[in-house]
Amino acid sequence: KAGVTQTPRYLIKTRGQQVTLSCSPISGHRSVSWYQQTPGQGLQFLFEYFSETQRNKGNFPGRFSGRQFSNSRSEMNVSTLELGDSALYLCASRGLGHNEQFFGPGTRLTVL
Amino acid sequence: DQQVKQNSPSLSVQEGRISILNCDYTNSMFDYFLWYKKYPAEGPTFLISISSIKDKNEDGRFTVFLNKSAKHLSLHIVPSQPGDSAVYFCAADNAGGTSYGKLTFGQGTILTVHP
Repeated sequence: KAGVTQTPRYLIKTRGQQVTLSCSPISGHRSVSWYQQTPGQGLQFLFEYFSETQRNKGNFPGRFSGRQFSNSRSEMNVSTLELGDSALYLCASRGLGHNEQFFGPGTRLTVL
Repeated sequence: DQQVKQNSPSLSVQEGRISILNCDYTNSMFDYFLWYKKYPAEGPTFLISISSIKDKNEDGRFTVFLNKSAKHLSLHIVPSQPGDSAVYFCAADNAGGTSYGKLTFGQGTILTVHP
């Protein structure tokens, strides 16, 4: 089975712009979670989607949003980018009835 | 409030010896625990997990021990190999509740295995 894929791998944006990141889960996985990793805060949960519904959300401002499509692919969007949004954004997928999450390679976002 | 803590930022061991990575948690609602290995600029790789109904789980060179009363878990790697050098993250889940895909991670421990 192919693993979790994320595109793009690297992005450079400027303050005030918006960005959309994409995640394709492992085939058959319907749960997709997003995380942000920064040196100061570590790995922090952003939100989780299952069957196109957001079931859980972390403590991030409303500038961070996401969605999931009927094929379980997910996107996350960050609007009005700030310097502090520079981070590695990771998505993970999970199979039904399982607790283990499998991560993609991440998207490295740099905000200048 | 850091609910999952890995108090050792780094650990250095000799090849062939045992590596022991520790993790403490404060939230008694956590009932499932996972260990991940991560290289820079890559996503975490799942290693091993344990449910709170168990106190030990083994998979090859990796064993995870859970002490619920102490809210403590540890990952043992025997024997350690240079390829094990990476950052190791402990993560916790409230799988029996409504965590819905939210893992809470520790800050990570950098493991270096010397040849």
